[in-house]
Amino acid sequence: ETGVTQTPRHLVMGMTNKKSLKCEQHLGHNAMYWYKQSAKKPLELMFVYNFKEQTENNSVPSRFSPECPNSSHLFLHLHTLQPEDSALYLCASSHRQGNQPQHFGDGTRLSIL
Amino acid sequence: TQLLEQSPQFLSIQEGENLTVYCNSSSVFSSLQWYRQEPGEGPVLLVTVVTGGEVKKLKRLTFQFGDARKDSSLHITAAQTGDTGLYLCAGLDTNFGNEKLTFGTGTRLTIIP
Repeated sequence: ETGVTQTPRHLVMGMTNKKSLKCEQHLGHNAMYWYKQSAKKPLELMFVYNFKEQTENNSVPSRFSPECPNSSHLFLHLHTLQPEDSALYLCASSHRQGNQPQHFGDGTRLSIL
Repeated sequence: TQLLEQSPQFLSIQEGENLTVYCNSSSVFSSLQWYRQEPGEGPVLLVTVVTGGEVKKLKRLTFQFGDARKDSSLHITAAQTGDTGLYLCAGLDTNFGNEKLTFGTGTRLTIIP
């Protein structure tokens, strides 16, 4: 039980499809994060939300669109993705942005055909 | 852009042996975290070190933060198969009032029975 739940666990989509990744946490945290984990690169921070406000967009292409309706839920809307976007997408949360340890979900394995 | 280099990238040893993995940077961090990620799961926090020179022990795992807070090491004594996983260090930068966690390149550890 990680406290951070991501759905779906696996997703295969074509380049023209539109899909969404969902993340939910019941830890009472106020900061939520999206990361991309590729085979040959370090874990890359994509977006940060602190108290529902986006505080970081790490130069992520516009085909990735985050949404944070409340402190417990975080979405990543996907459209017109490229094959190089295939990766493990991890969601994390913490009490606040910064030093508090981050609690990760188990990720969504995304494959772009 | 801050970079955390971990070495070795891959390590495969026999059960019962000792090992050390390293996390190095040219940048100073206010604190450093170590995570372990098992296949099909998200990273899980092992420890946070804050003070230069600090040593923390977690059963058979010993973590050290460098005096200059630019590097860290993880030493495992009498490795067990349950230690298998991807070990990630992550440095926290609190400069300019913007807290940011940067992850290292990772060490993939395999313990052979």
